[in-house]
This record gives sequence, structure tokens and C-alpha cells, in this order.
Amino acid sequence: GAVVSQHPSWVICKSGTSVKIECRSLDFQATTMFWYRQFPKQSLMLMATSNEGSKATYEQGVEKDKFLINHASLTLSTLTVTSAHPEDSSFYICSAESGRDYGYTFGSGTRLTVV
Amino acid sequence: QKEVEQNSGPLSVPEGAIASLNCTYSDRGSQSFFWYRQYSGKSPELIMSIYSNGDKEDGRFTAQLNKASQYVSLLIRDSQPSDSATYLCAVKQVGNEKLTFGTGTRLTIIP
Repeated sequence: GAVVSQHPSWVICKSGTSVKIECRSLDFQATTMFWYRQFPKQSLMLMATSNEGSKATYEQGVEKDKFLINHASLTLSTLTVTSAHPEDSSFYICSAESGRDYGYTFGSGTRLTVV
Repeated sequence: QKEVEQNSGPLSVPEGAIASLNCTYSDRGSQSFFWYRQYSGKSPELIMSIYSNGDKEDGRFTAQLNKASQYVSLLIRDSQPSDSATYLCAVKQVGNEKLTFGTGTRLTIIP
């Protein structure tokens, strides 16, 4: 089946620092990947669509300068939360379309805590 | 009107009974429909995908799609406590790569 690996699974960082989250498609190529954020007891919120070799498309209200997305290859997309603040603490999840039979596969998520 | 609507629940079902989860969508151009299960603190995992009108069965799960009425449902037979989770309905529209998610239905199976 299709596997999306996300790393790290959890991270604690100090306010003002930056954190990078990696998302890899292990057994398929992903031209497009998606980044979501989920606050406790809330639904998934799409942050941006990551396109290999081009700029990401951000959803309304998401700061592109704060959430830097790089999709340098067909198997790797990264999300960097710059100058993190406590309000950025959340569960960040990536996903990729992995074919008709598998739909969209999600990574295991990264729980970010900013202290 | 939200693009994808689900009853947030919680929905409580006795163990062994059938759990019925419903979802409606607003865009008639939607072409692909997915049900995801999300346990607390975990990321969503795909349960079923359905693309054509009618029923699609996979083990204890049956997805039902009615494009004329713009609804998609998920039935879980012989419900188990391990089925307790939030179920997310997701819809993909023609010409759009993104999935649009409902807010999810929290299901609790009572032993």
C-alpha cells in the first residue's frame, strides 16, 4: 500500500525558534502534497498545497512567510514553522494522493509544542 | 452552507449493532468520496473510497453514494469498541486536487 512517512512525530521548541517537518512518500511519487493543521477537538484545516518544483499554494489566512513549504523532489515536502509562538502549537499532518485505490494517504502527524 | 456536512455527534451505538454515518455535500460536480477514521491524537486513515452511485462493501464497512441526493454514508456492521473514533467524510471535486473535509462524526461503541 501507499505509505507517507512524517518526521518528527513530536517536537518541543522554544518560542522564536524554527521547526522543520518532513513528509516523504515512500513507495510512490507525489507531485502534490498537502499540509494540514488540527487543533484539539477540531477538524482538519488545510494550510497549503505543496507542488513539486514550484511554489506552494496557501489557503486564505495562512501566512506564507511563517509557514515555509518546500517540495524539492517527487518524494519529499517540508514545512518549516518560522519564529514559532505558543499559538502555533498544534498537530500538523501531511498527505498525498496515492492513486485511485488508496485515495489520499496521510502521514502520522507531528505534534508541535512551543514553550 | 458548508461544502461537506456531517452530524458532529457524538453518536453512541451498542456493541454488535450497525453504526450509520451520514454526509452531504453541496457541489454536484464532486467525483470522489472518501471515509477516513481518526483516533484521538492520531492522523486519519482511509476506510473506504467510492466513486459510483450505489453500495461498496469491504468487510464490515459499506459505503453508499447517491449523487442525485448528494449524500454519502458509511455503515459499520457488528460494531466493535475499537470502532470508536471520529469519522471524517471527504469529497474531491472535478478539477480540484484538494479534498474537502466535513467536521467529522464522533462515534462511540458501547460495550
